[in-house]
Amino acid sequence: AQTVTQSQPEMSVQEAETVTLSCTYDTSESDYYLFWYKQPPSRQMILVIRQEAYKQQNATENRFSVNFQKAAKSFSLKISDSQLGDAAMYFCAYSAGGTSYGKLTFGQGTILTVHP
Amino acid sequence: DSGVTQTPKHLITATGQRVTLRCSPRSGDLSVYWYQQSLDQGLQFLIQYYNGEERAKGNILERFSAQQFPDLHSELNLSSLELGDSALYFCASSLRTGAFFSGANVLTFGAGSRLTVL
Repeated sequence: AQTVTQSQPEMSVQEAETVTLSCTYDTSESDYYLFWYKQPPSRQMILVIRQEAYKQQNATENRFSVNFQKAAKSFSLKISDSQLGDAAMYFCAYSAGGTSYGKLTFGQGTILTVHP
Repeated sequence: DSGVTQTPKHLITATGQRVTLRCSPRSGDLSVYWYQQSLDQGLQFLIQYYNGEERAKGNILERFSAQQFPDLHSELNLSSLELGDSALYFCASSLRTGAFFSGANVLTFGAGSRLTVL
């Protein structure tokens, strides 16, 4: 079974600084997708960024980027120029591809605090 | 607004009761997924429907059932409720099952239905 591990229960960062959230996963699949979701106090799950395993290039979305290390099964999220609105719980998630797509396996989450 | 509508937002009920949670997917999305978020179990996948048919099952209890109707809305039925069923239940939708059009096939989550069992 696939597992996703987030080893940092809590992280903090100063406004305008950079922070990296860690995630490792375990799978025997070759076709899979990795995601970072943000859950602010409103509890809404918001997709931050997505990475297809077959793509070697790391995904980037504005201030958010990932470091995808396929051999090491590592998928970290870097938030640059942190803003107060980035404060939230962040979940790393895995989905196999094909007909299994969408059955997300989530990590335990990392609470990110942003200090002004 | 994500486009995925879940009702009710909050629900308080007693042990042994039965409740129904409703989800309207984003316009055009054919797949609906149900997830449970609890303090004990974290976020876990329950079940998926595609165009009215069950496609995948996760850690869904036998006391729980779901269906997707011809208009593509979905309902999650929880019966013989126990204290441990208290959780936030999310519905998500996507364009189609499989990842053939992965650029468009992103799961969009609703705001969730918070169930409290007393």
